Amino acid sequence: DTGVSQDPRHKITKRGQNVTFRCDPISEHNRLYWYRQTLGQGPEFLTYFQNEAQLEKSRLLSDRFSAERPKGSFSTLEIQRTEQGDSAMYLCASSLTGTDTQYFGPGTRLTVL
Amino acid sequence: TQLLEQSPQFLSIQEGENLTVYCNSSSVFSSLQWYRQEPGEGPVLLVTVVTGGEVKKLKRLTFQFGDARKDSSLHITAAQPGDTGLYLCAAGGATNKLIFGTGTLLAVQP
Repeated sequence: DTGVSQDPRHKITKRGQNVTFRCDPISEHNRLYWYRQTLGQGPEFLTYFQNEAQLEKSRLLSDRFSAERPKGSFSTLEIQRTEQGDSAMYLCASSLTGTDTQYFGPGTRLTVL
Repeated sequence: TQLLEQSPQFLSIQEGENLTVYCNSSSVFSSLQWYRQEPGEGPVLLVTVVTGGEVKKLKRLTFQFGDARKDSSLHITAAQPGDTGLYLCAAGGATNKLIFGTGTLLAVQP
């Protein structure tokens, strides 16, 4: 399977703990996006990378959130000192420069107790 | 802030019925995508439309992009239980991020 993959698929954590998610994009795609989706809503943009450069961050991305894409391939999204309001589905997508079409991974479902 | 409004929000129909989902905005977009999402999974791309007035067909699904590139519709003919899911429209533009619609939750009863 050469689609976007995400790990883990599910994460349950206690409030105050740190969590890290990983995304592996489609191999030839140079753009990588992170979105957050809560129940009953469409995904909301968090941040995106072109190769290893983080080019845009949403105001939703508080200082407890950090994303990296060190070698321009996979990306990690870390949430520090998790809060119950962080509970959501975290989605990763990738695309090629010059195209609007984004392909999504299966998501990581985070539950903060 | 660009907003995409979808209607209806919820739709429950019987197998074999036809339905149309609408996606509307006051903004002009360079392209628009339709996705289908099942519970616990990521959105799966159905189609991308880029030209005003464009119509694309995918088996029993027909997608149309408005002439002014501000709105779109998805029509499903003879719906089947396998069509059940959350249908999302999403628009792209110069900012590269996708703006998603509010979603239409479709349930097709056998």
